[in-house]
Amino acid sequence: GAVVSQHPSRVICKSGTSVKIECRSLDFQATTMFWYRQFPKQSLMLMATSNEGSKATYEQGVEKDKFLINHASLTLSTLTVTSAHPEDSSFYICSARDPDWYQETQYFGPGTRLLVL
Amino acid sequence: AQSVTQLDSHVSVSEGTPVLLRCNYSSSYSPSLFWYVQHPNKGLQLLLKYTSAATLVKGINGFEAEFKKSETSFHLTKPSAHMSDAAEYFCVVSGHGSGNTGKLIFGQGTTLQVKP
Repeated sequence: GAVVSQHPSRVICKSGTSVKIECRSLDFQATTMFWYRQFPKQSLMLMATSNEGSKATYEQGVEKDKFLINHASLTLSTLTVTSAHPEDSSFYICSARDPDWYQETQYFGPGTRLLVL
Repeated sequence: AQSVTQLDSHVSVSEGTPVLLRCNYSSSYSPSLFWYVQHPNKGLQLLLKYTSAATLVKGINGFEAEFKKSETSFHLTKPSAHMSDAAEYFCVVSGHGSGNTGKLIFGQGTTLQVKP
């Protein structure tokens, strides 16, 4: 149980285009999902908290118009990188919070490698 | 505010020898603590978690960790390393208050190298 998937696993795009990454909880409903960014050899940096049916909460320094998050259902959250530039190239990881709120556990997706040329 | 410090950025052991990955935390609340493992170009997998029950927590793949409140530590151990244990390990504490509730606070990670 508690499986989270991401699609695509890798994407290469041209500068100026937009890229959408999907995060799905496969066997449980997740009212809260999280989006992280990870640079090589570094820890995870939380970008935003995605709550089903409401606007995402962005961390300080993260441009909400640049990184659009939609959490339209209890099993799907999407991150759209708009007008991508080479500096947006990174490893993006999503997680879904355990449906038992008191558990505080997050289950992570396998990540999406984005390369912007 | 909560924080996590992983005391070693890189640990190297020989296959079959014990593993010790050190983690100290800071939290004014009763913390939930986690260890996650990340293999190259993969997501994070939960190894184990402490949530104020037994202080010695057993996880998957033979790993365990002991919560020591007096030392504010949550070190990860394994009696005998396997080649497949080579990966990045993250010690994580649950966030509380000041906009951190529901979030996870990550340590900087420890790279475990296992030599044949």
